[in-house]
Amino acid sequence: ETGVTQSPTHLIKTRGQQVTLRCSSQSGHNTVSWYQQALGQGPQFIFQYYREEENGRGNFPPRFSGLQFPNYSSELNVNALELDDSALYLCASSPGMTSNYGYTFGSGTRLTVV
Amino acid sequence: GNSVTQMEGPVTLSEEAFLTINCTYTATGYPSLFWYVQYPGEGLQLLLKATKADDKGSNKGFEATYRKETTSFHLEKGSVQVSDSAVYFCALGTQGGSEKLVFGKGTKLTVNP
Repeated sequence: ETGVTQSPTHLIKTRGQQVTLRCSSQSGHNTVSWYQQALGQGPQFIFQYYREEENGRGNFPPRFSGLQFPNYSSELNVNALELDDSALYLCASSPGMTSNYGYTFGSGTRLTVV
Repeated sequence: GNSVTQMEGPVTLSEEAFLTINCTYTATGYPSLFWYVQYPGEGLQLLLKATKADDKGSNKGFEATYRKETTSFHLEKGSVQVSDSAVYFCALGTQGGSEKLVFGKGTKLTVNP
């Protein structure tokens, strides 16, 4: 079975621009979560999607938005990029909403905002 | 609220040494507990988990026991290898509503030959 794949692996954007990050969930997984990992820190929860609906959101502003598609793949969109948005963005999928599964993580997208 | 506290790193050990990385948590209810490992330049890999009190998670020689009375989930390994060098994250899974993982700040382990 394939795992979680994310694209692109690296990205450089200018402050004020918009970015879209993509994630393909593991086969059989209907739940996708996004996390932001700043350098030297643990990942922080951005939001979760379950069967195409947002199912919870962390402490991130509305310029962070997402989508989940019928095949359970997902996008993370960030508008009006700020320097502090520079981080590793991790996508995680699971076969259901419960955190007991522990989630399968992708390798992440490294976003640099200059 | 929910939070995880890990011992500060970095931790440097010689090959075959004993490893302990401390982790304590604060949570409502009875969360599941996890250890994830992150190798340089990579995402997170689930190392082990425990879903209820007194459960022991184990994988690749690593072990951790869910201690409800001390709200702890310390990671241990009897004999580390150079290939164990990585950053280790303790995490809890929140319960009810929007379930998510809450991570500690991570502990960097370096094992020297």
